[in-house]
Amino acid sequence: QLQLQESGPGLVKPSETLSLTCTVSGDSISSSRYYWGWIRQSPGRGLQWIGTVFYTGRTYYSPSLKSRLTISIDTSKNQFSLKLSSVTAADTAIYYCARLDGGPTVQTRFDYWGQGTLVTVSS
Amino acid sequence: QSVLTQPPSVSGTPGQRVAISCSGSSSNIGSNIVNWYHHLPGAAPKLLIYTNNQRPSGVPDRISGSKSGTSASLAISGLQSGDEGQYYCASWDDRLSDWVFGGGTKLTVL
Repeated sequence: QLQLQESGPGLVKPSETLSLTCTVSGDSISSSRYYWGWIRQSPGRGLQWIGTVFYTGRTYYSPSLKSRLTISIDTSKNQFSLKLSSVTAADTAIYYCARLDGGPTVQTRFDYWGQGTLVTVSS
Repeated sequence: QSVLTQPPSVSGTPGQRVAISCSGSSSNIGSNIVNWYHHLPGAAPKLLIYTNNQRPSGVPDRISGSKSGTSASLAISGLQSGDEGQYYCASWDDRLSDWVFGGGTKLTVL
């Protein structure tokens, strides 16, 4: 059974970098079929796609976050990670990692999700 | 303000059929597929419908999806208490080059 688990600090100070890791179990992150992504949910903005990564390291970012975003993948650890720089209170949200089946963008779906982790941006 | 528009809430009694609408535009639903998700607080969101009307393995056939023009709909028949929760639609937006989601619909089984 595929499982995804987010981990990382629950509190980040404004202007600092938010860092999260998603550990995948039950499937190889090196599969050429699947992509791996991040989505967040905040009270003010609802659900928002952050970005997606392939096992080769190819990334796809939301235009609204692209300038502050780095998503990477570590196939040896079966993990992928998110770094969001210069955070503000607007980045406070529940962050989910997910698997994508069907490609990186248009025709795909987020078919498995983690339970999410709350990240609060506050001094 | 979400790009895709859903009703904030719907309700029904056990056994009834409910439908949840999702309205978009030519740059998202009008051009691309729609997926639907079910979400309970504290749990992982679950994929219910993909590519407009396809059910993943394990999703019962009393749950169905459809799309027409710039709108989509999720229908749940034989309503059960376990169907309660939030439902979200999602589609790729060609103009924004981004995934867009509905604001969510809370389903209550009375």
